Amino acid sequence: GAGVSQSPSNKVTEKGKDVELRCDPISGHTALYWYRQSLGQGLEFLIYFQGNSAPDKSGLPSDRFSAERTGGSVSTLTIQRTQQEDSAVYLCASSSDQGAYEQYFGPGTRLTVT
Amino acid sequence: GENVEQHPSTLSVQEGDSAVIKCTYSDSASNYFPWYKQELGKRPQLIIDIRSNVGEKKDQRIAVTLNKTAKHFSLHITETQPEDSAVYFCAARVNDMRFGAGTRLTVKP
Repeated sequence: GAGVSQSPSNKVTEKGKDVELRCDPISGHTALYWYRQSLGQGLEFLIYFQGNSAPDKSGLPSDRFSAERTGGSVSTLTIQRTQQEDSAVYLCASSSDQGAYEQYFGPGTRLTVT
Repeated sequence: GENVEQHPSTLSVQEGDSAVIKCTYSDSASNYFPWYKQELGKRPQLIIDIRSNVGEKKDQRIAVTLNKTAKHFSLHITETQPEDSAVYFCAARVNDMRFGAGTRLTVKP
C-alpha cells in the first residue's frame, strides 16, 4: 500500500519568507511525527500528534515553527520568517500506535534557505 | 523528557567482523527501542526493534539486547558485509520517540 508521502521534495526559499511542508501519513495511522535532520546529523524531534490529543510541541526550536494536523490525517509544518539555519531535511513519520510502534518515514523535504 | 545517547559516532570494521553499537536512555518508562538504518540520501528504515518486556531479539545477522536496569541497549551485527555500511540510529519511546545521534558504520571489503 501507499507509504508516507511528503511534499515538496525540495524547497528553496529566501531568508525571511514563510514555507509550508506537507505530510500525508499512512491511512489509519493515528500518530504522526516531524523531525529535522541537518546534513550529516541525527534526527531532531520537532512535534508529535497522537489522535485527537493535544500535540507534543516540546521539540519545536522557536515560535517561528508551528504544525497542525487536519482531520487526524494530513499535517502541515510551517516555518515563518525562515533563517539559513533552518536549512535541513524535514522528515515526517507515522505509526499506528495500536500496540505497534514502528514508525514509517516519508522521503523528506529538503529545505534550503538562501 | 527522554534523552538518548549513542556510541560510537563512527565505526569502521573489516568485512566479516562484528559491529556493536550502544545506546543509553534516561527515562525508565521507555518501553520500545527501535533501530533504524539510513543509507546516504534515503529515509530511515526500521531494521529491528525490541520492547521492554524482552531482553534480546535476533533476526539473522542482527540482534538487539536490552538491559532495563542499566537503561542501555545495543545493536549487534555479525558477519558484516559492505552493504551494511550506513548510518544507524537507536531510539527510545515513552510517548514520543527520541533518537540517538547516529553511528556511521563503514564495512571495508
